[in-house]
Amino acid sequence: NAGVMQNPRHLVRRRGQEARLRCSPMKGHSHVYWYRQLPEEGLKFMVYLQKENIIDESGMPKERFSAEFPKEGPSILRIQQVVRGDSAAYFCASSPLTNTEAFFGQGTRLTVV
Amino acid sequence: DAKTTQPNSMESNEEEPVHLPCNHSTISGTDYIHWYRQLPSQGPEYVIHGLTSNVNNRMASLAIAEDRKSSTLILHRATLRDAAVYYCILRDVGGAQKLVFGQGTRLTINP
Repeated sequence: NAGVMQNPRHLVRRRGQEARLRCSPMKGHSHVYWYRQLPEEGLKFMVYLQKENIIDESGMPKERFSAEFPKEGPSILRIQQVVRGDSAAYFCASSPLTNTEAFFGQGTRLTVV
Repeated sequence: DAKTTQPNSMESNEEEPVHLPCNHSTISGTDYIHWYRQLPSQGPEYVIHGLTSNVNNRMASLAIAEDRKSSTLILHRATLRDAAVYYCILRDVGGAQKLVFGQGTRLTINP
């Protein structure tokens, strides 16, 4: 059973471009969480999704950021019109049930130039 | 989510036990105590969790105070690979499902 897969591992975007980060949860996991970690800072919750539903998006910036977890395929975190301040590591986690251990991917490191 | 308090950093020697403390004086009856760690340049990794009783697994032990206002993560024999930031997190079984990470404890292991 492969772990949580995130791709790409590294992504470079110019200011104003769009960034799409993908997360494939572990097999059988229907709960996905996205976190952001700015350089030398802690992990900040962004959004929690179940299949086709956003359950908690209290940590998502109000503009430019969106997330989805379709019935088929990976979860996508989309950042439109990226700015330098979006440069960070973005981690995805999945779990089979609520309040069970969460398994994290290796992250996508986004650099905006 | 209830708050936890951990020391910013700790240091230990290889092959010695390490005791990482966590205070959670406002814990509620339905809060589970979770521990995760993050090795350099990697995603967080689940370590252990418990509710009231002490817990053991292949990675570590979790000792929970009788009043549940504090807990201690015990690494029985530290290795260099255990150098990481350790996070103590409270997670309400019936409430919000997200993990809220604090600043954690940065553990340094000396050879």
